[in-house]
Amino acid sequence: EAGVAQSPRYKIIEKRQSVAFWCNPISGHATLYWYQQILGQGPKLLIQFQNNGVVDDSQLPKDRFSAERLKGVDSTLKIQPAKLEDSAVYLCASSVEANYGYTFGSGTRLTVV
Amino acid sequence: KQEVTQIPAALSVPEGENLVLNCSFTDSAIYNLQWFRQDPGKGLTSLLLIQSSQREQTSGRLNASLDKSSGRSTLYIAASQPGDSATYLCAVGGYQKVTFGTGTKLQVIP
Repeated sequence: EAGVAQSPRYKIIEKRQSVAFWCNPISGHATLYWYQQILGQGPKLLIQFQNNGVVDDSQLPKDRFSAERLKGVDSTLKIQPAKLEDSAVYLCASSVEANYGYTFGSGTRLTVV
Repeated sequence: KQEVTQIPAALSVPEGENLVLNCSFTDSAIYNLQWFRQDPGKGLTSLLLIQSSQREQTSGRLNASLDKSSGRSTLYIAASQPGDSATYLCAVGGYQKVTFGTGTKLQVIP
């Protein structure tokens, strides 16, 4: 079984620029999550999709972050404009259904300078 | 609101020692609890998943237990090796919501 694919692995941008991350979940996994992990902290949920519908985006800074999951498969997370405090690892995870175990991708490390 | 605590935040042990990592949570109405390993700069690797109806799960040198009534889970690592050095995170699954602890950073000294 192929794992969760994320790209790019690393990204360095200047503040106020925009950036996008891509995630391809495991085939057949209905639930997809985006997490932000700041150095030294546990992952924080940004948004959860069930198929192509949003289940929870309560912690997504909607003035600058957006995410979509077209056709209930791949997902993109965008930041526009980026701030210094957005420097973190952005993790994508998927599960067969909510309340099942997760599988995580390798993450995208974002540095905003 | 579920709160998940992992103590200690960091642990250093000599190779070969058996060790226990702790995870405590405040709301016992959970669906499952999952332990992950995270190497520096990498994503999370799932180690063990315990459903709420289970008491423990084992994989190789790892054993995870769950006591919902007391809001605790432990991850037992037998005969630790330098390759076990990583950060260990527990994630508590509630209804359509998962809450992570902040992790225990383990260093196994050869």
